[in-house]
Amino acid sequence: GNSVTQMEGPVTLSEEAFLTINCTYTATGYPSLFWYVQYPGEGLQLLLKATKADDKGSNKGFEATYRKETTSFHLEKGSVQVSDSAVYFCALSGRNRDDKIIFGKGTRLHILP
Amino acid sequence: GAVVSQHPSWVICKSGTSVKIECRSLDFQATTMFWYRQFPKQSLMLMATSNEGSKATYEQGVEKDKFLINHASLTLSTLTVTSAHPEDSSFYICSARDITVNQPQHFGDGTRLSIL
Repeated sequence: GNSVTQMEGPVTLSEEAFLTINCTYTATGYPSLFWYVQYPGEGLQLLLKATKADDKGSNKGFEATYRKETTSFHLEKGSVQVSDSAVYFCALSGRNRDDKIIFGKGTRLHILP
Repeated sequence: GAVVSQHPSWVICKSGTSVKIECRSLDFQATTMFWYRQFPKQSLMLMATSNEGSKATYEQGVEKDKFLINHASLTLSTLTVTSAHPEDSSFYICSARDITVNQPQHFGDGTRLSIL
């Protein structure tokens, strides 16, 4: 079945450091890929998405590229801020409207000032 | 942008009571809504898929008589935790998918349920 594996946290970085959170997936067909962010005490917000191979999703300085050859969707940001501290979930979904989202276990990110 | 409203955001109640959580899509129609449960510092666990006008589809291990789901319209789904007990305390999150294919799910802000 479909699954998502992402690097375990917590990840602790200093402000302005470069961030990479690895995510790989297993899926049949051609899923859509997502990164969601969850700030403390809140629900999930869609951070970015990519729907086909080689697509790059980007938002708020974060980027991730849909790599079909390596089945990966790594999240990157060139210079993190304290306000980026949150839990990040990699996820995939099929293309039908009632397809479930499969989440990774989440990676907690702490940014130190 | 698309918004999903979840209410209440926080509820504390005594053991044995039933609690209803509402999930509304505010500016789009959703034939399908999803209910998740999240334990502290863990990922989201899908509980059930709520289908407008039909019975919900529950994931394995989720008690359908314990967690009643109703999807009465294209913009509203409710989750009722019946006869709640302390072990039901958790963070419950709903999501809704726009009728348009290939649109991502939009999540509510969650409901923190504490059973005393």
